[in-house]
Order: sequence, then C-alpha cells, then structure tokens
Amino acid sequence: DTEVTQTPKHLVMGMTNKKSLKCEQHMGHRAMYWYKQKAKKPPELMFVYSYEKLSINESVPSRFSPECPNSSLLNLHLHALQPEDSALYLCASSQTTGGFTEAFFGQGTRLTVV
Amino acid sequence: AQSVTQLDSQVPVFEEAPVELRCNYSSSVSVYLFWYVQYPNQGLQLLLKYLSGSTLVKGINGFEAEFNKSQTSFHLRKPSVHISDTAEYFCAVSYPAAGNKLTFGGGTRVLVKP
Repeated sequence: DTEVTQTPKHLVMGMTNKKSLKCEQHMGHRAMYWYKQKAKKPPELMFVYSYEKLSINESVPSRFSPECPNSSLLNLHLHALQPEDSALYLCASSQTTGGFTEAFFGQGTRLTVV
Repeated sequence: AQSVTQLDSQVPVFEEAPVELRCNYSSSVSVYLFWYVQYPNQGLQLLLKYLSGSTLVKGINGFEAEFNKSQTSFHLRKPSVHISDTAEYFCAVSYPAAGNKLTFGGGTRVLVKP
C-alpha cells in the first residue's frame, strides 16, 4: 500500500465555519506534511510533523491548526478562513524527514471558502 | 536561499515527438533533486530522483533526467511522448539538513497534441 488518502476530496465552507481535513497513510512513514497549492502554482509547504511532533511551521496563520493524533493520521483544522485561503491542500508522507526520502502525496482536498 | 527555476512555463509538443523540460537550481551545497508530475485534479507523483552516483537517472513512464553539477541543472527528457503525458511537471530540491523540505520550481505545463 503506497497510498496517502485525503478526505474530503472537495470542501466548501463559509468564513465562520470550522472544518477539518484528514490525511491517512499506512506505509509506516514517520514524517507527514501539509502543502497548499494555489491554481497554476507549485505546492508551498505549510507544516512538517516528524514522529508525531510538529517540526516545521512555515509561518502559517493560526486559523490553520495541524494535529497528528498518531503516526498514521494527520489533520488540518480550519477556522475563520478567508476567501484567499481557497486552494488545493495536499498531504504527503515520507519514511523520515531525511532529504533523500521520497515524499508520497495524496490527491488533495480542494477547498473553497465563500 | 535555495531556489529552483523551470525555464519554460508551457511546452507544446506533438505526440511521439521528444520533449525536454529544463530545471536549474541555485545552491552552494549538495542537494537532492526530484521531478514530480501532476495530472489534472490529482496529487503529485514522483517520476525520478537524484541522490548521488550516476548522473543519468531513469524514472517511470520512460522519463529520464541528467544531473549536471557544474551547470546546476537537472533537465527531464522523454524520447517519445504520448497524449497521456499531458500534465504539469515540477522540479524540486531538498537539502540533507533541511528536514526533507521540498522547494519546487514554478512548474512546466506539457500539452501533447495529436
């Protein structure tokens, strides 16, 4: 199983809503990532978890709150988002955070904030 | 700071013709190099990677890339493309000490015409 599964695939939310994105992998990977991708742009790193601990936060606004409940799951909690936060949110995982390890990406959650 | 430049934002190519996608990076230290492909409404899939050793790297779907340290380049090639190769292609780098933090180039959109 080399899959990273993200749910939901699509999400529309209002600016006052609270929602969560979910990511799951069963490859035994100990590093997990959230990326944000705007249309026609490359992915931008948001957060890195290593062994279930947050190791990198790329100065992401606090309306995005990551959580890693266990080694297989990664959540991104969303609250009071802005329309400019509309994007494709990609989850990825790798064996470790060593730069030589391949990152496996999920299919993404396409988020629209209205 | 590290950066990755993909010199062509779009590359139209006829079916069964060869294609080359250019990637240059800036770094004063050793790097790991990757090419990812993103099909419409999908996540990213690894095509190939260079970690060390032979400078010619073969990947999936008939793609190959050549690492050139003196020119700080990692160009991607395919001798004969198919319609199904229509996608966005991203070059990316990571550094041994950077926690598998991928820095992506701006992407090259390949449009294969019949």
